[in-house]
Amino acid sequence: GAVVSQHPSRVICKSGTSVKIECRSLDFQATTMFWYRQFPKQSLMLMATSNEGSKATYEQGVEKDKFLINHASLTLSTLTVTSAHPEDSSFYICSAKSTGTVYSNQPQHFGDGTRLSIL
Amino acid sequence: SQQGEEDPQALSIQEGENATMNCSYKTSINNLQWYRQNSGRGLVHLILIRSNEREKHSGRLRVTLDTSKKSSSLLITASRAADTASYFCATAYSGNTGKLIFGQGTTLQVKP
Repeated sequence: GAVVSQHPSRVICKSGTSVKIECRSLDFQATTMFWYRQFPKQSLMLMATSNEGSKATYEQGVEKDKFLINHASLTLSTLTVTSAHPEDSSFYICSAKSTGTVYSNQPQHFGDGTRLSIL
Repeated sequence: SQQGEEDPQALSIQEGENATMNCSYKTSINNLQWYRQNSGRGLVHLILIRSNEREKHSGRLRVTLDTSKKSSSLLITASRAADTASYFCATAYSGNTGKLIFGQGTTLQVKP
């Protein structure tokens, strides 16, 4: 089945550090990937839609300069949390859909998430 | 908020019992999906039901969709301790860019 790998799984760093999270589709090509944020005991909130070869589309209220997204290839999207502060601590999850199925009735495939803790 | 609502927020049952979770959403959809999340992990896709379908089965899972009421239910029959997890519904809205809007989730605990 379709596998999405997310790395790292856990990051603990000091305030002011920039942190990069990678999302890879291992056995399929993904023109579009999605980044979510999840607070403890809450649901997933869509942050942005990552498009290969073009700018990401951010949801309302998400700072694009804070959360930099790069989708450099058909199998890799990265989310960089710039100058992270304690309030950025959260669980970040990516997902992907196979190229050609973005608008179809097919499920998204999720990574295992990255737990980010800013001290 | 575009988020749908799910109820109950938490459900605790004994192994062997059935578990029912409900989801409501707000606008027209292409499909509705149910996902499972074990603590601290990503989401696993369980079942997708299209807007023109009313019921779908997959193993011990049964999903219904009522587009007139903008609601869906997930039934897990003969539950097992391993079913303990959070369950989320997610809707793919008509005319959107393929993105999903998630419900608030139901935390299910199945006691052995």
